[in-house]
Parts: sequence; C-alpha cells; structure tokens
Amino acid sequence: DIQMTQSPSSLSASVGDRVTITCRASQSIGSSLSWYQQKPGKAPKVLIYGASSLQSGVPPRFSGSGSGTDFTLAISSLQPEDFATYYCQQSSRTPPTFGQGTELEIK
Amino acid sequence: EVQLVESGGGLVQPGGSLRLSCAASGFTFSDYNMNWVRQAPGKGLEWVSFITGGGSSPIYYADSVKGRFTISRDNAKNSLYLQMNSLRAEDTAVYYCARGRSGTFYQVDTWGQGTLVTVSS
Repeated sequence: DIQMTQSPSSLSASVGDRVTITCRASQSIGSSLSWYQQKPGKAPKVLIYGASSLQSGVPPRFSGSGSGTDFTLAISSLQPEDFATYYCQQSSRTPPTFGQGTELEIK
Repeated sequence: EVQLVESGGGLVQPGGSLRLSCAASGFTFSDYNMNWVRQAPGKGLEWVSFITGGGSSPIYYADSVKGRFTISRDNAKNSLYLQMNSLRAEDTAVYYCARGRSGTFYQVDTWGQGTLVTVSS
C-alpha cells in the first residue's frame, strides 16, 4: 500500500496568516492527490483534486501544488472558518490511502 | 443538487450484521463509481470499498473488511449498500458513502453526511 505522510500533524496559526501543509507519498503517484477539509462532526469537504485543481465553490485562498511524491496545500490568508483538520489522499493505486491528518488550530 | 444520504447505522453486538444504505439524488447515479469510507472515533479516514457505476467488476475491498463486507448497488433505486457481517469492535466508525469524480475510481467529489456504526456488547 502507498503510505501518505502529512506534516505537521498539528499547527497553530492566526487569522490572516499564510500556512502550508505538506503530504509525502511513499511512491510516485503522479498528480493523483486530493485535499479535504473536515470540521468536527461533519463530513469531509473536497478542496483540491488532481494535486492543483480547485474544487468548484472553494475560495481561491486555497491552492495545491506538487507531483510525484511531494505535495503542498497552501492557505494564503487564514479565515476563522479555515480552522479544521486537513487530509491528503492518493487515488493512484488500490487501495486509496489517506494521510493521518493535520489539525489547524487558532493561535 | 447532488446529495448522498446514508442510513442504517446503529448499535450491534460483536459478530452481528448490519446493512448500510446510501440514497443518491441530483445526478445520474449509474454514471458514477462509488466508495465507502469510514472514520473511527477520533481517528483519520479509512477507505473501505469500491464499486463501478454499473455494479460489475472490478469491486475492491480494504484488507481489513475483505470476506466480511459486501458492497452493492441498485441503480434503479439510486442506492448504494454495504452489507457488514461478522462485525468487530474495530469496525466502530462513521461510515460515509463517497462519489468518485467522473471517470475516476477514488477521486472523491461528493461525500454523504455519514452514519454511525457502533459494535459493542
């Protein structure tokens, strides 16, 4: 199975900050990488697919980059509603696998 | 509006069975591959199973549920199912149905709200 490793596991930041979350795959997955946002008690929400394509309706302050094994989710200017847990997921190989999550907290 | 609504969760004893359903609306259900993904309390996301839009091969399962869970769909009823047998405590989780983006297997573009399965005596 392809292992997905996110860093950091948790992150404290302030409203208006720029933050980045990284995701590393244990083998090359091309651009088959998605990012999801999840708030407590809610279903995940799609942010980014194909490593860098913004899901319809997602604010442009979210962006994704990378290919192969190294990927990044960036949030350009944190808003109060962005404090949540973020997951990456590879869809290149069976089984699809998720990173362990990054919890973004208010500083 | 594209919508997925899960049902069928609840409390079940170890060794018991449960059947989850996912009702789809707002899109041509048979055109899309579907997945089940679960999340144990306080834990991350774990993919469970996959089925093609037509319901035929391939069908895939996570090793942790292979031989115990069966995924199926009824396109006439716009419904996805997960039959869960020989349930274990470690199957306790919120189960989400998740639509694969058009033309993909596992690139999820829509999630249901989830249904909680608790396996406990």
